Amino acid sequence: NAGVMQNPRHLVRRRGQEARLRCSPMKGHSHVYWYRQLPEEGLKFMVYLQKENIIDESGMPKERFSAEFPKEGPSILRIQQVVRGDSAAYFCASSRTGDTEAFFGQGTRLTVV
Amino acid sequence: GNSVTQMEGPVTLSEEAFLTINCTYTATGYPSLFWYVQYPGEGLQLLLKATKADDKGSNKGFEATYRKETTSFHLEKGSVQVSDSAVYFCALSDPKSGGYNKLIFGAGTRLAVHP
Repeated sequence: NAGVMQNPRHLVRRRGQEARLRCSPMKGHSHVYWYRQLPEEGLKFMVYLQKENIIDESGMPKERFSAEFPKEGPSILRIQQVVRGDSAAYFCASSRTGDTEAFFGQGTRLTVV
Repeated sequence: GNSVTQMEGPVTLSEEAFLTINCTYTATGYPSLFWYVQYPGEGLQLLLKATKADDKGSNKGFEATYRKETTSFHLEKGSVQVSDSAVYFCALSDPKSGGYNKLIFGAGTRLAVHP
């Protein structure tokens, strides 16, 4: 049973470009969470999704950031018009309904140059 | 609001030394508590968890007890190894989240163990 798969592992974007980060949850998991880790800081919750629904986006910046979890395929975190401050590690986690444990992927490290 | 406070690092120990990393929390309701470990360049791995007061989570020689009276969840290990060098994160599940795993993390504590 493969773990949570994130790709790419490393992503370099120039200021103003778009970044797309992908997350495939573990088999049987229908809950996906995105977190952001700024350098030398803990993880901060961004958004929680179930299939085709955004349940809680209280941690998402109001502009330029969006997330989706379509019926088929991975969850996508999209950052438009990236700026240097978006440079961070973005982690995805997944869980099953009713389970207290969330499993994390290895993260995507975004660098904006 | 809900929050987690960890002792600042780095913590530097010699192999076989005793480890304590302090973690205290503020939360309304009854959160579950977790310790995650992050090895260099890797994602987070769940180390242990406790879901109610007085529960003790344990794994790989690490343990932590959910203390409601002191709102603490300190991580301990009796004899650390070089391979334990990593960043350790204390976290709680937001009790207001309506039953899903919205986690609130501490800032992390870096542990370096020397031979």
